[in-house]
Amino acid sequence: KAGVTQTPRYLIKTRGQQVTLSCSPISGHRSVSWYQQTPGQGLQFLFEYFSETQRNKGNFPGRFSGRQFSNSRSEMNVSTLELGDSALYLCASSNSAYGETQYFGPGTRLLVL
Amino acid sequence: GDSVTQMEGPVTLSEEAFLTINCTYTATGYPSLFWYVQYPGEGLQLLLKATKADDKGSNKGFEATYRKETTSFHLEKGSVQVSDSAVYFCALIRNSGNTPLVFGKGTRLSVIA
Repeated sequence: KAGVTQTPRYLIKTRGQQVTLSCSPISGHRSVSWYQQTPGQGLQFLFEYFSETQRNKGNFPGRFSGRQFSNSRSEMNVSTLELGDSALYLCASSNSAYGETQYFGPGTRLLVL
Repeated sequence: GDSVTQMEGPVTLSEEAFLTINCTYTATGYPSLFWYVQYPGEGLQLLLKATKADDKGSNKGFEATYRKETTSFHLEKGSVQVSDSAVYFCALIRNSGNTPLVFGKGTRLSVIA
């Protein structure tokens, strides 16, 4: 069974631009979560989607948004990029039940100049 | 709120040495506990997990036991290899309610030949 895939793997943007990242979960998984990883803040939860609905949201500004499609694929968007948005963005998928094991993709490394 | 505390790194060991990485947690109820590993330039890989008290998770020679009385989930390996060099994250998730994974700050392990 294929794992979680994320595209693109690397991205360079400039301040003020916007970016869209994509995540395809493991087949059959309906929950997709997004995390931001930085050296200073570690791993921080962004949001979680299940059946096209945002089920949980972390403490990030409204510039960070996401969505999930009917095939469970998910995208996250960051508008008006700031230097501090440079990070590794990780997507994880799991079965629908709460507390289930989450499986991570390889991440998208975003550099904002 | 829920939290995970890991021992500070980096940890440097010689090949074949014994490894212990301490992890303690604070959580409401009885969460599931995980160890994830992150190799350079990659996403997180699930290393092992335990879902209830006294469970022992094991994989690739690594072990951790869910200790409710001490709220701990220490990672151990009897004989480390150079290929074990990575960052190790302890994490928890509640088994009820809609809550995300909560991670420790990670412990960097370097194994030298």
